[in-house]
This record gives sequence, structure tokens and C-alpha cells, in this order.
Amino acid sequence: SQQGEEDPQALSIQEGENATMNCSYKTSINNLQWYRQNSGRGLVHLILIRSNEREKHSGRLRVTLDTSKKSSSLLITASRAADTASYFCATRTPNAGNMLTFGGGTRLMVKP
Amino acid sequence: GAGVSQSPSNKVTEKGKDVELRCDPISGHTALYWYRQSLGQGLEFLIYFQGNSAPDKSGLPSDRFSAERTGGSVSTLTIQRTQQEDSAVYLCASSRGLETDTQYFGPGTRLTVL
Repeated sequence: SQQGEEDPQALSIQEGENATMNCSYKTSINNLQWYRQNSGRGLVHLILIRSNEREKHSGRLRVTLDTSKKSSSLLITASRAADTASYFCATRTPNAGNMLTFGGGTRLMVKP
Repeated sequence: GAGVSQSPSNKVTEKGKDVELRCDPISGHTALYWYRQSLGQGLEFLIYFQGNSAPDKSGLPSDRFSAERTGGSVSTLTIQRTQQEDSAVYLCASSRGLETDTQYFGPGTRLTVL
């Protein structure tokens, strides 16, 4: 079963614009991670935010976490055509092993 | 260094046949995970190995699915008597095993059951 719900399910923007994707989850978490997937194959880890963190940056990526609302957002600034991919949030739940529970993903298309 | 590798990259089989999918984790990673990604179900956890501990099999969808990890390294996911609903991309990941560690994913095996 999926822990998270992501919205939007699909997002289409022009190159240079910012893209914001949101993720909501249901149970308490140890951390939340964002992954990118190209062409339905391997997942690439983008960024991890711990439950006691509220915001984290990595290059053009900015992630926020609101544990009171059980939600997170991923912002990609100054998007590029190469950012076109599916983006997934994944959570790790306390006392539930190290497995990740994934959201349904957002399909991002960046038009050149 | 080398990442997680999986083989085969694509597998087409007939309903009722058994299949074996292989995962080579990153050297030194003690934790290994199998996930499945299908159109209807998204990304689902299947099974998790951590060192010499008993694997966490809580995500396996039926007793037709099994996995083993030999020598704490390579893992094989076996699906017996495949069904059409088993068609999916099977993804393997590995990590150092600490709770905050990143999981590194392989390219996946696309299984098609005819």
C-alpha cells in the first residue's frame, strides 16, 4: 500500500520556470526522501530530509517538511528540459524496518 | 564505484513459468531491498535483507514469491508459476543499512508475463 499521495499527478511547465510538487503521508516518519525516475526505470536519490528538519537545499532543489500537516514539497527552480522525469516521495516509518513507502509520483514535463 | 546492477534487464515469460531475477548490490552494503513497480499499484516494497538477520518478507504478495541472499551479497528474487498480474518492473536497492542511509536503486528488470 502507498503511504504518500502526491500532487499534482502531472505537471507541464516551460524551461526556466519553477516546479513545485507536493507529497502527503499518513503515519509518523523518521525521514522523507525524494527520488527521480526517468523512463520508468531506476530511481535516483535526490534529497533526504529528517523528521526534525523543516527545510533543506541541494543545488536547484528545495525541500520542505511539515510534520504537523504530514506533508512535504519539492521545489525545482529554473527548470531545464533535462528535469523531465517522474518524481516520487518516499518515507521511512519508525519500527517498520528500513523499507521505503512511496507515493504515487508526479510526472514532470519541462518544455524547451 | 559500480552501482547496483540487475539482470536481466527485460524478461518475457509465459504464464505458469518460474522466473529468477538477480540483483548485485553495491559492494559493502549490508542492506538489500526488492521493490515492485506496476501500473496499478505504484512502487511497493517486497522484501528486505539486513546483514545476517532474518529477512523482512512482509511485502511479498503471495507464497509464489521468494528471495534469497547468498553470502550477504547477491540476491535472487524468484517468482513461481507466474501470473499476468506479476508483470511489472522489479527494482532492487541497497544501502549501508543505517536507518538514515540513502537507498541506491538498480535499473530494474521489466517482467512481462504473457
